[in-house]
Amino acid sequence: EAQVTQNPRYLITVTGKKLTVTCSQNMNHEYMSWYRQDPGLGLRQIYYSMNVEVTDKGDVPEGYKVSRKEKRNFPLILESPSPNQTSLYFCASSLGVQTGELFFGEGSRLTVL
Amino acid sequence: AQTVTQSQPEMSVQEAETVTLSCTYDTSESNYYLFWYKQPPSRQMILVIRQEAYKQQNATENRFSVNFQKAAKSFSLKISDSQLGDTAMYFCAFMTWYNNNDMRFGAGTRLTVKP
Repeated sequence: EAQVTQNPRYLITVTGKKLTVTCSQNMNHEYMSWYRQDPGLGLRQIYYSMNVEVTDKGDVPEGYKVSRKEKRNFPLILESPSPNQTSLYFCASSLGVQTGELFFGEGSRLTVL
Repeated sequence: AQTVTQSQPEMSVQEAETVTLSCTYDTSESNYYLFWYKQPPSRQMILVIRQEAYKQQNATENRFSVNFQKAAKSFSLKISDSQLGDTAMYFCAFMTWYNNNDMRFGAGTRLTVKP
């Protein structure tokens, strides 16, 4: 089954404790991206990757890092989480050409105390 | 930069009735995609309907249809015969033709279907 898998789905952590949210897709997609969803703001792009070893900032990259060492994986790293990073996070992938399709993971609810 | 505006934070409708959710967008591009996503309490992002900007015909998917007005940059979603399972957050979204990696979302409309 074609899917985008995120882990963990839920996480409560404390300020400053490094964490990683993993994302994996099995569709051989070139494009992958991370979004955060906040009330009244919709989804905003954090980082995106157009291929292996190619990453770039989205609209709200501060406080986040990403890496793309393999085509299927695109982890989101919070080196020193802060309460303003409490949010719902979505990973997404696409073929990267003019297909007009974006496949979302199931979301990861992160709470930083 | 492209922006998407949903001016209705919350709406409600009686079961079996019709409701229309509004969306406007701003872009200088001529080729793009527009989407409506549904997000139920499970938080999953479910694609409801998609419209290619070059197509004049409005997209339809069963009880869901859109009114796409390209000149007015308007893209409303009509839900007919509303069902309790339609209760969800609905997001309007925009994607340029050439970059399928950058989707722009509106703030969302929370729809409640009442029995």
